[in-house]
Formats: sequence, C-alpha cells, structure tokens
Amino acid sequence: ETVLTQSPATLSLSPGERATLSCRASQSVSTKVAWYQHRPGQAPRLLIYDTSDRAADIPPRFSGSGGGTDFSLTIHSLEPDDFAVYFCQQRNDWPPTFGPGTRVEVK
Amino acid sequence: QVRLQESGPGLVKPSETLSLTCSVSGGSVHSRNYYWSWIRQPPGKGLEWIGDINSSGSTNYNPSLGSRVAISVDTSKNQFSLELNSVTAADTAVYFCAGTLYYTLGTYIHLYVFDYWGQGTLVAVS
Repeated sequence: ETVLTQSPATLSLSPGERATLSCRASQSVSTKVAWYQHRPGQAPRLLIYDTSDRAADIPPRFSGSGGGTDFSLTIHSLEPDDFAVYFCQQRNDWPPTFGPGTRVEVK
Repeated sequence: QVRLQESGPGLVKPSETLSLTCSVSGGSVHSRNYYWSWIRQPPGKGLEWIGDINSSGSTNYNPSLGSRVAISVDTSKNQFSLELNSVTAADTAVYFCAGTLYYTLGTYIHLYVFDYWGQGTLVAVS
C-alpha cells in the first residue's frame, strides 16, 4: 500500500501568515490526493480533492498543488479557525491511505 | 447537507466484538449516490480506512483487518454499522464514519474522497 508522510509535524505560525504543508507519497499517486482539516472534537472536513479542487464552501485561501509523489497544501493567510490538524489522503492506490497529519498551531 | 453521527459502546473487552452505528441525516443510505465508510485513528497514530458499503450492499474491506470486519446497512433506520470481532488493545481508536458522494463524469470517478464525516467516537479495548 502507498505510505504518505507529512512535514512538518507541527507548524507554528501567527494569524495572517502563510502556511505551506507538504505530503509525500511512497510511490506515484498521480493527482489523486485530498486534504482534510480536523479541529479537536469536530468532524474532519474535506478541503481539497484531486490535488487542487476545492470542496464545496471552502474559501479560496486554501489551495493545493503537486503531482506524482509530492503535494502541498497552502493556506494563504491564516485565520483563527485555521489552527487545526491537516492530513492528506491518496486514492490512486487501493486501499486509500492517509498521512499522519500536520498540526498548525498559534505561534 | 449530509450529517453523520457515530454511536456505540466506548469500552469493549478483549476477544469480544466491537459494534458501532452511524446515523445518517440529509442523505439516504440506500441512494446510489453514496458510499459509506468506516475510518479509525489509534491514539497517536494516523488514520486507517477500514472499509465501505454501497447502496446495493457491496462491501470492500481493508486487507489489514482480514476477515474480522463486517459493514452493513439498515435502510429502515437510515444507518450503517461496523462490526469488528476478536478485538485486542490494538483496536483501541477513535472510529469515524464517513460518506462519499459517488459520481462519474466521463472517465472520472469520484470515489474514496470522504466528503462527509462524523465527529468520531473513542472505543477502548480493555
């Protein structure tokens, strides 16, 4: 199965700053990568699918890029609600697998 | 808007069966538009997809769980369920139910994208 790694494990930033999160796959997953946001005690939320397609009602400050084995999620200007855990997921290879997550915390 | 809510015991004894239910609102479990999944996250670890079921009752399971897992649908209650037998401490995790809005567009298949999630429920095996 395809293993996903994410870096950094924790990102300490201030509101208004840009966050860039990375996800690397152990083999090519084409563009079949999604990103999710998970706030404590809440349901995870789909942000991006197929590398760069924003899910419904996701603001444009969230963007995704990449392909093959390397992918990025960028939050262009952090808002207070954006401090959360973000994890990537691939669906190119079965079974679908997830990365371990990156925590974005307030600096 | 589809909403999901997990329910079930928070504590299961080793070797017994873990049983969870996911109640669905805003969508129908017997609609051909959805696939329904279970996903878990052990403490301090990443997420693991357990398996899914579609409206016709077809299931797919993660090979890592072997034959211990079964997912079923109750259309009368608009719920789907997970059973995991012969549990050990390694099965301690937060269990999430999730839904995929399934569609195809030409050669594109929207599947294994988890559009909807429940909040998760912690199940400890002890």
